[in-house]
Amino acid sequence: DAGITQSPRHKVTETGTPVTLRCHQTENHRYMYWYRQDPGHGLRLIHYSYGVKDTDKGEVSDGYSVSRSKTEDFLLTLESATSSQTSVYFCAISGQGGNQPQHFGDGTRLSIL
Amino acid sequence: GESVGLHLPTLSVQEGDNSIINCAYSNSASDYFIWYKQESGKGPQFIIDIRSNMDKRQGQRVTVLLNKTVKHLSLQIAATQPGDSAVYFCAETVLQGAQKLVFGQGTRLTINP
Repeated sequence: DAGITQSPRHKVTETGTPVTLRCHQTENHRYMYWYRQDPGHGLRLIHYSYGVKDTDKGEVSDGYSVSRSKTEDFLLTLESATSSQTSVYFCAISGQGGNQPQHFGDGTRLSIL
Repeated sequence: GESVGLHLPTLSVQEGDNSIINCAYSNSASDYFIWYKQESGKGPQFIIDIRSNMDKRQGQRVTVLLNKTVKHLSLQIAATQPGDSAVYFCAETVLQGAQKLVFGQGTRLTINP
């Protein structure tokens, strides 16, 4: 296992409520990533972090924000959840060397009603 | 095993046969490619990677081939086993610090006894 824990693993919430997903790593890796996975779309990058307090947008960042106050934790927040954000969310990490592959957590299944 | 056309979402092979999964990538500037395996309810699991300065790389029962001329990647699995049943994704990126992976749609591999 790559030492990645995502929480919660499952969540059901209502439209308009705020939601925060947590990714915790024990590998001390520099880079952390959030992806979403929807049927027919594979995985798409939402946001990523290249260090504490250093984050940037990915392909599908609208409606999401992130924070990284410690090396080991990367939080993904949906400020006001919408039904289009129902998805499976995956966190990934990678080390300092550019050609070290990303390793993924087991995901959070989020349903927004 | 059979080779599959690009973008075909499913592949069914007999146990013990070889499997070939194909992938077309989109960015001619991509210089790092990764194959992942995803089982139901789990995150993508790293299988093998290759850099653009290589045409072929072998692992245990798996081989990745890269054809930069036509922007094509393939994953060959030798002597497929029931445990190989999963969805397989290719991913590409340009190595420049953080890896902003772009994933293919995926191919579902089913092993028949």
